[in-house]
Amino acid sequence: QLQLQESGSGLVKPSQTLSLNCVVSGGSISSGGYSWSWIRQPPGKGLEWIGYVYHAGGAYYNPSLKSRVTISVDRSNNQLSLKLNSVTAADSAVYYCAKVVDFGDNWYIDLWGRGTQVAVSS
Amino acid sequence: QSVLTQPPSASGTPGQRVIISCFGGSSNIGTNTVSWYQQLPGTAPKLLIYSNTQRPSGVPDRFSGSKSGTSASLAISGLQSEDEADYYCAVWDDTLNGLFGGGTKLTVL
Repeated sequence: QLQLQESGSGLVKPSQTLSLNCVVSGGSISSGGYSWSWIRQPPGKGLEWIGYVYHAGGAYYNPSLKSRVTISVDRSNNQLSLKLNSVTAADSAVYYCAKVVDFGDNWYIDLWGRGTQVAVSS
Repeated sequence: QSVLTQPPSASGTPGQRVIISCFGGSSNIGTNTVSWYQQLPGTAPKLLIYSNTQRPSGVPDRFSGSKSGTSASLAISGLQSEDEADYYCAVWDDTLNGLFGGGTKLTVL
């Protein structure tokens, strides 16, 4: 079955760019009309949706992060990527990649990666 | 502060029934379906309920979901110690934004 594994730099300096990848195994990132998302969770806090790329190829982003974030699909490497510019300490969190089911009035996450911890510090 | 409002905490004794609420608005819960997630300590969230009332394969029928107007609820019956976790509601908002509730920490006394 499909599995998701996040990777990337665990430590990023303030004002720099956070870059994460998520490898999809057990299936193709392009098949089945799948949509993909990034979600984060600051230490001791709740979940925050970052954005998602939907099966038709477009992307939606959290309005509070939209000016700094890019989510893309690398079909040749079967992976999802996240780039977040101009990071501050408030961007320190566990970052999850996830598979989204979206059709009609339904939108939910049916598969989560294990998450990767990112700290923003000089 | 989340657009979706959940109580920060809930509790119950083994065997009891606990209900966790999620309040939203006309552009989110009022229009689209709600999902619920369980996050055990130190682990990634797991889908518990989707499309308001549906359980994925493997989720015990002790967990049930409902929706009415702009609010939704997760009910856990026959509470067990392993149900102690954080629970989150989520929904798509028609302003093109994914929303999570602030989360409810469930304690089994």
